[in-house]
Amino acid sequence: GAVVSQHPSWVICKSGTSVKIECRSLDFQATTMFWYRQFPKQSLMLMATSNEGSKATYEQGVEKDKFLINHASLTLSTLTVTSAHPEDSSFYICSARGQAGSYEQYFGPGTRLTVT
Amino acid sequence: TQLLEQSPQFLSIQEGENLTVYCNSSSVFSSLQWYRQEPGEGPVLLVTVVTGGEVKKLKRLTFQFGDARKDSSLHITAAQPGDTGLYLCADSLYNQGGKLIFGQGTELSVKP
Repeated sequence: GAVVSQHPSWVICKSGTSVKIECRSLDFQATTMFWYRQFPKQSLMLMATSNEGSKATYEQGVEKDKFLINHASLTLSTLTVTSAHPEDSSFYICSARGQAGSYEQYFGPGTRLTVT
Repeated sequence: TQLLEQSPQFLSIQEGENLTVYCNSSSVFSSLQWYRQEPGEGPVLLVTVVTGGEVKKLKRLTFQFGDARKDSSLHITAAQPGDTGLYLCADSLYNQGGKLIFGQGTELSVKP
């Protein structure tokens, strides 16, 4: 149980275009989902927290107009990178937390974004 | 702002050796978690510890949580090449919606 999927697993896009990444909890309802960014050989950096049906909470320094997050249902959250630039190239990982009060998050397999 | 420091940052050992990875926090952990991440994949939860002084074992992995709940160690006995990966400690902040604060990670390479 507790499986989280991401789609696509990798994407290459041209500078200036937008890319949408999906995060799904397959066998549980995720009240809260988190989006992280990871550079090579580095740790995960939290970008934002999204709760179903409400606006995402962004971490300091993360541009909310550039990284649009939507959590429309209890099993789906999306991250849209708008007007992508090469510096947005990174590994994007989502995680999902099921029950309120649970300490455990379950991570998706990540999406490798390359902006050319 | 809470800071988690892991040491060492890199570790390269031979198969069969033992190793210990450390995680120290600038403040008391809400809930300490250890993850392992392989290249190109998401982190996988290894263990969650909440109580100071707690020791948990997962096959060849032993996790210790300091009495003051500000430090932890991960000990691997007789390391195998399959243990290779990035080991991350994290604090799950229950009072902030459960968001995770990660350490910078320990990159472990176990050579056959």
